[in-house]
Formats: sequence, structure tokens, C-alpha cells
Amino acid sequence: AQKITQTQPGMFVQEKEAVTLDCTYDTSDPSYGLFWYKQPSSGEMIFLIYQGSYDQQNATEGRYSLNFQKARKSANLVISASQLGDSAMYFCAMRRNSGNTPLVFGKGTRLSVIA
Amino acid sequence: DSGVTQTPKHLITATGQRVTLRCSPRSGDLSVYWYQQSLDQGLQFLIQYYNGEERAKGNILERFSAQQFPDLHSELNLSSLELGDSALYFCASSVADSRQNIQYFGAGTRLSVL
Repeated sequence: AQKITQTQPGMFVQEKEAVTLDCTYDTSDPSYGLFWYKQPSSGEMIFLIYQGSYDQQNATEGRYSLNFQKARKSANLVISASQLGDSAMYFCAMRRNSGNTPLVFGKGTRLSVIA
Repeated sequence: DSGVTQTPKHLITATGQRVTLRCSPRSGDLSVYWYQQSLDQGLQFLIQYYNGEERAKGNILERFSAQQFPDLHSELNLSSLELGDSALYFCASSVADSRQNIQYFGAGTRLSVL
């Protein structure tokens, strides 16, 4: 079974600063994918970034980067130069790579960006 | 815009009733997933369809059922509704044969059972 743990229920960050959202995972599968989604107050789930378990380099997408430490089973999201619009819930998720398998989500971290 | 369309956006109904939630996946996506988001349970996988066939089941109640039609849209049917079924229901879709297999989510249907 797969499990995602997000230990920070809420975080505050100053505008223009960088912030790291923690995510640890547990799985016995050798091949898996890790994802981060953003859920603003309006409710939709927005895909941010993906990291494959065999990817050699950490994933980056604009201001988002994923700090992937396979041995520690962690996949932290780093948001650089925070903006007020980054205030939202952030969910870490994973799935097995065998076929089109469903996502397992963590409980999320609520990020608040302060002006 | 993710390209996944869910209707309706909001649904208010009474206990014991039955409702149908509809999802149109992104063009070309064969897989459809249904998730439920509630305050106490978080985001939970309900059921997955791939090209019209059920592929995986998660924590879906027997009162709930789903199907995927030949045009690939999907419907989630919730019957004998209870107060605890109030939640945000998401549909997601993904393309087949993709290493990343990113699931793109619709805006959700917010169900309120009164």
C-alpha cells in the first residue's frame, strides 16, 4: 500500500520569499510517480509538478521545483518568489507506475502568503 | 482550464434522494477517475474507468455506482443519500500509454445533502 504524509497543516510565508512544503511517502513499488496539486479557495485541483521515481534530476516547472530525495522517501515542493496568488491548499500525491492507477493523496498543507 | 468538464457545479438535495454527476474528460483521454473530498476523509479515490470498462475500485459505497459511455464521458450515480455524503466530488482524466500519466481534474461538483 502507498501512503503520503504531509506534516505541516498550515504555513505562512512572506511575499517574494521561498517556501518548502514537506511530503514523505511510503511504497514498496520500485516504480512510481509523485505529484503536487494546488487547490485554491475556489476548489479546483490544479496540477503543478511531476517527479518519476527513476528520474535523475529534480523536476522544475517555473517557480515550482520538487526536491526529490529517494533514499529518504521525500518529495518536498519548493515555491520560489512567493506571490499572494500562491495562497492555497497544496496536496502531495503518488501512484504506482503500473498502468493507469489512481492517486493516493496526503492531507494537504494550507499555505498563506503575507504581503 | 484543465479541459475536464464537470456538471453541475453545485447540487443541493435531501436525504434519501438520488443524484447523477457528469464528467467529460479531456479530448483523447481514455481514463476517468472519480474522487471524493470531504473534511474528515480528505481526498479519496472512488472508482476508475478505462475506455468504457471499470479498471479499479477504491472506497466506493455500494449506494454509489458509475459508468463510462462510448463517447468516454462518465457519470457517477449516488443513491439513498445521507448527510455524510456531502462532499466535493472530482472527476479526473488521463491519457493512456503515458509515462507521466498526469491526472487533470475538473472543477468538481459540490454536493450538499440536507
